[in-house]
Parts: sequence; structure tokens; C-alpha cells
Amino acid sequence: GAVVSQHPSWVICKSGTSVKIECRSLDFQATTMFWYRQFPKQSLMLMATSNEGSKATYEQGVEKDKFLINHASLTLSTLTVTSAHPEDSSFYICSARSGEGAVGYTFGSGTRLTIV
Amino acid sequence: GQQLNQSPQSMFIQEGEDVSMNCTSSSIFNTWLWYKQDPGEGPVLLIALYKAGELTSNGRLTAQFGITRKDSFLNISASIPSDVGIYFCAGQQTGTYKYIFGTGTRLKVLA
Repeated sequence: GAVVSQHPSWVICKSGTSVKIECRSLDFQATTMFWYRQFPKQSLMLMATSNEGSKATYEQGVEKDKFLINHASLTLSTLTVTSAHPEDSSFYICSARSGEGAVGYTFGSGTRLTIV
Repeated sequence: GQQLNQSPQSMFIQEGEDVSMNCTSSSIFNTWLWYKQDPGEGPVLLIALYKAGELTSNGRLTAQFGITRKDSFLNISASIPSDVGIYFCAGQQTGTYKYIFGTGTRLKVLA
């Protein structure tokens, strides 16, 4: 079945640094990927839609200059959290649709980001 | 962002008991999905629903798409310890590719 790989699975960084998270579709091509953020004991909140070869579409309230998204190929989307601060600490999850007829979206295993 | 209301928020049940949870919205959806998320992992799709009134099963899981298209429920029969986790509903509205997630139901099963 469709597999989405996310890397790293966890990362701890100092405040002020930038962190890049990768999301790869391993056995299918994904023209569209989605990035979610999940705070402890809360639901998944869509941050942005990553479009291959074009600019990402951000949800209302998400700072596009802080959360840089690059979807340079059909199998890779990256999310870079720039100048990270402790309030950016969260669980970030990507997802992708494995095909036109696919049901729902396949999720990556998530990245636990901790800013200290 | 918009979220769907799920209830209950959490539940503790004995192994072997049946579980029921639901998801409601003020908006109409044309697709409902149910996911399960284990700690530190991404959600995994359990059941997908496409038509109002549709009732679909996946093993011990049964889900229904509400007639009004504004709600859905998920039942788990004869719960087992590995059913522990957070269950999310997700809805998709007509004309959009995005899914909106519910607030989640945290399930704990006591052996």
C-alpha cells in the first residue's frame, strides 16, 4: 500500500534556529501533500497545502514566512520552521493522496519538534 | 481553523465491551472518514463513507454516514487492548480536497 515517510521522527533544537522536516511518498507520486500541526491532546490542524512545482497554499493564521514549504518533486515536500521558538514545539504530520481514486490521505509517522 | 465536534472526548471501558462515538458538524459533508492514531504516530485510515445513510464495516468496526450529512458515528464491538488510541473523524466538503478533522475521542481499554 501507499507509504509516506517523514524525517526526522523527532528533533530538539535551540530557540532561533531553523528546522527542516521532510515528507516523502515512497511508492507513489504526490502532486499534493498536506502539512498538519498537532498540539498535545488536540486534533490535527491543517497548516498548508503543498503543491508540486508551485507555491504552497496556507491556511488562515499560518505564517508563510515562518513555515516555508517546498515541493520540488513529485515525491518530496519539505517544511522548514524558521527562527523557531518554544511555542513552535509541536507534532508535525504530513499526508498525501496516493492517487485520484484513493480514499482519504496517507499520513506520515510525524515529527516531534521541541524547541528549547 | 474549523473542527468537527466529537463525543465523547475520552472513555474508559472494560475489555470486551462495545464502544460508540460520534462526530457532528454544522456543515454538510460529502465524505466522512474515521482514523485511529497511536501515540507518536500519524493517523491510520479505518473506514471511509461516501453516501448519506451508508453503513460500512471493517472487522469489529462499523461506521455510518448520517442521513443529514452533518454527522457520523463509529462503533467498535468487543473491544480489545489494542483498540487503545485516539479516534478522529474527518469530513470533506463538496468542492474542496481538504479534510477537516474532529476533536478526537481518546479510548482506553481496561483488561
